[in-house]
Amino acid sequence: SQQGEEDPQALSIQEGENATMNCSYKTSINNLQWYRQNSGRGLVHLILIRSNEREKHSGRLRVTLDTSKKSSSLLITASRAADTASYFCATDRSGTGNQFYFGTGTSLTVIP
Amino acid sequence: DVKVTQSSRYLVKRTGEKVFLECVQDMDHENMFWYRQDPGLGLRLIYFSYDVKMKEKGDIPEGYSVSREKKERFSLILESASTNQTSMYLCASSLTGEDTQYFGPGTRLTVL
Repeated sequence: SQQGEEDPQALSIQEGENATMNCSYKTSINNLQWYRQNSGRGLVHLILIRSNEREKHSGRLRVTLDTSKKSSSLLITASRAADTASYFCATDRSGTGNQFYFGTGTSLTVIP
Repeated sequence: DVKVTQSSRYLVKRTGEKVFLECVQDMDHENMFWYRQDPGLGLRLIYFSYDVKMKEKGDIPEGYSVSREKKERFSLILESASTNQTSMYLCASSLTGEDTQYFGPGTRLTVL
């Protein structure tokens, strides 16, 4: 499979703590995205990082990318109960321009 | 804001029935996608379309067909539903040249 894999599969933390989830992938990429999915809903785009970038921030989100290790991490700082959701990484498929492989997701629970 | 809508949130069908899942986007996106999402398997691409009347097979097209007669509408067809097609179906759209995909809320299909 060309899919990315998120680690851990599930994560439970207290409100206010930081949450870190990781994504590993198999092939060279142009960019990597993170999406969020609330239970039973569609995915919502969070952030995109390009292969020539090492770190990117958006609000309480921090994404890193290590292309030599074919891995990325998503850090959510000062977590809130509303951050409870599943988080997916998506990597572009070589040569397609607009298709992506989605990972299997990390289920995050933030306990109030 | 981009809006992607799907015709049903929940659907229950019997084995052998022909099933239509409809997806509509309102942002004039060229690209549209159908995924299915199953626990432990993440999102898998069934079909996609990059223009009206154009379609391409994804990773798991068997048992499915699609139709794109208008730019804003992309339909997924299960010719003869089977129990192993019980799943969450997600539609997405994107603009050519941009990497972000916009997802609908999903249709949870149960085939009895």
